[in-house]
Amino acid sequence: ETGVTQSPTHLIKTRGQQVTLRCSSQSGHNTVSWYQQALGQGPQFIFQYYREEENGRGNFPPRFSGLQFPNYSSELNVNALELDDSALYLCASSPGGRDTEAFFGQGTRLTVV
Amino acid sequence: AQSVTQLGSHVSVSEGALVLLRCNYSSSVPPYLFWYVQYPNQGLQLLLKYTSAATLVKGINGFEAEFKKSETSFHLTKPSAHMSDAAEYFCAVIPGDGNKLVFGAGTILRVKS
Repeated sequence: ETGVTQSPTHLIKTRGQQVTLRCSSQSGHNTVSWYQQALGQGPQFIFQYYREEENGRGNFPPRFSGLQFPNYSSELNVNALELDDSALYLCASSPGGRDTEAFFGQGTRLTVV
Repeated sequence: AQSVTQLGSHVSVSEGALVLLRCNYSSSVPPYLFWYVQYPNQGLQLLLKYTSAATLVKGINGFEAEFKKSETSFHLTKPSAHMSDAAEYFCAVIPGDGNKLVFGAGTILRVKS
């Protein structure tokens, strides 16, 4: 089985631009969560998708939005980028259920200049 | 709100010495508890999890953790540190009524030869 893959691995954007990050979930997993990890901090929950519906959201503004597709892959979109959006963005997939293991991708390093 | 406190942002041990990484959580309802490890420029890998079964949980790479409800703690230990254990370690909880991982700020473990 393939693991969680994220693309791209790195990118640089200018303040005010928009960005789309992609995540392919592990085979058989119907739940995808996105986290933001700023330098020197623990990951912060952005939102979760379960079977193409948003299933919980953290304390992030509406310019952070997402999608989950029928094959359970997912996108994270961020509009009007700010310098503070520079971070490692992690995607995690799981088979559902609160006690199941979340498998993380290697992350996308976003730098906003 | 649920929170996780990891005591010590940096811990340094000698190779072969005991590793002890501390984690305390705040919760009125026993949560699900996890320890993850992150190597540089990589995603998170699950070391172990507590889901209300045995209070002493054994994980991968010789790590284990003990859930102590009276102390609201879930400290991570390993009897003998190896150079390959050098990484950042995150304690995380899923609150009793939630579906997202709440992470601590992380502890960077350094292993000296």
